[in-house]
Amino acid sequence: RKEVEQDPGPFNVPEGATVAFNCTYSNSASQSFFWYRQDCRKEPKLLMSVYSSGNEDGRFTAQLNRASQYISLLIRDSKLSDSATYLCVVMGSNDYKLSFGAGTTVTVRA
Amino acid sequence: DTGVSQNPRHKITKRGQNVTFRCDPISEHNRLYWYRQTLGQGPEFLTYFQNEAQLEKSRLLSDRFSAERPKGSFSTLEIQRTEQGDSAMYLCASGDSYEQYFGPGTRLTVT
Repeated sequence: RKEVEQDPGPFNVPEGATVAFNCTYSNSASQSFFWYRQDCRKEPKLLMSVYSSGNEDGRFTAQLNRASQYISLLIRDSKLSDSATYLCVVMGSNDYKLSFGAGTTVTVRA
Repeated sequence: DTGVSQNPRHKITKRGQNVTFRCDPISEHNRLYWYRQTLGQGPEFLTYFQNEAQLEKSRLLSDRFSAERPKGSFSTLEIQRTEQGDSAMYLCASGDSYEQYFGPGTRLTVT
């Protein structure tokens, strides 16, 4: 079983729509959680850290459910520029290495 | 630009040749990481350094791979006797707490 599993999508949504997706992780001892964004043939860029209480950054909202071991990302009022692959990332409890999901592809159409 | 830099950006080599990649981290970061990404997958951890000490190596890092970080600044990743299966994007990241910031990567193609 992979450490981090994501629905690969693709999610095709019109501009202005809300899109949400999540991922699950297998290591219950994981301590830190992130969403990264990756554009085609570019490096991953940190989108946001995910906190237990949930957090929001502009149009992006992330939630963490430790009991069920899943993390979610919601994008409101989608823009064309939100089209990308979103990587769910988990950091272990006693090391600093990141475990990545395979990514969820989002395409926002005009 | 004060971000993570990597050189070269692209490398094409023939099977059996040795290649070396360089990573220059964000200057104040004491941790440096190497990951490998193949098409359709997320990055996979290879190894990481805290200052000049290499603290962990993945099982993915066979004995043909070696990484160094002399003086705790830049790092090099060398692959000896390259194989076609080594074709991938090699990503370097740096960080000083829990967040990691990635360089643009070196895309390796082994023919």
